[in-house]
Amino acid sequence: GIQVEQSPPDLILQEGANSTLRCNFSDSVNNLQWFHQNPWGQLINLFYIPSGTKQNGRLSATTVATERYSLLYISSSQTTDSGVYFCAVGENAGNMLTFGGGTRLMVKP
Amino acid sequence: DTGVSQNPRHKITKRGQNVTFRCDPISEHNRLYWYRQTLGQGPEFLTYFQNEAQLEKSRLLSDRFSAERPKGSFSTLEIQRTEQGDSAMYLCASSIQMALSTFGSGTRLTVV
Repeated sequence: GIQVEQSPPDLILQEGANSTLRCNFSDSVNNLQWFHQNPWGQLINLFYIPSGTKQNGRLSATTVATERYSLLYISSSQTTDSGVYFCAVGENAGNMLTFGGGTRLMVKP
Repeated sequence: DTGVSQNPRHKITKRGQNVTFRCDPISEHNRLYWYRQTLGQGPEFLTYFQNEAQLEKSRLLSDRFSAERPKGSFSTLEIQRTEQGDSAMYLCASSIQMALSTFGSGTRLTVV
């Protein structure tokens, strides 16, 4: 099956800093999503981005499918951005997702 | 749109007992997924429905696990003869094709 690796595994930021999270995957995908799992365990979808670039407020994501990686950018980080960020990929658009191990982000005030 | 609803939120059961969890997806979503997440790990896929048809099952899903989605609406996940290794967060998600998956808050199972 597809392997998904995320880096860095852990990240500590000061409030206001910017960061880039990376997701590498081992095979071609037609489905790639980024999620934020908050400290209470709720998974919140951020982006559906099998290719290209999208932006939503302080967050943006870019996927270069031909090179099998995706990047999530967080600008002007806030303490509420803390949690675990997961990249998840699928070979087809509608079925199972394979999750990476996540990046654990802590934003300090 | 009230989101994906899962019940119960928490379940503590004795080893060997059967448990059943329920998931109510977003009403217009025809795809429903079950995942399992253990502490410090990403969610792992268990099974997937399109409408009422169960289209895919993970090799991780033992014979003690069964899922149903009658009439293509809510879904249930049953675990028979629970083992301590079944302790985890069980997550349900729903989607329409070519779109984001929306996750519920999960059911945390503790087998004692």
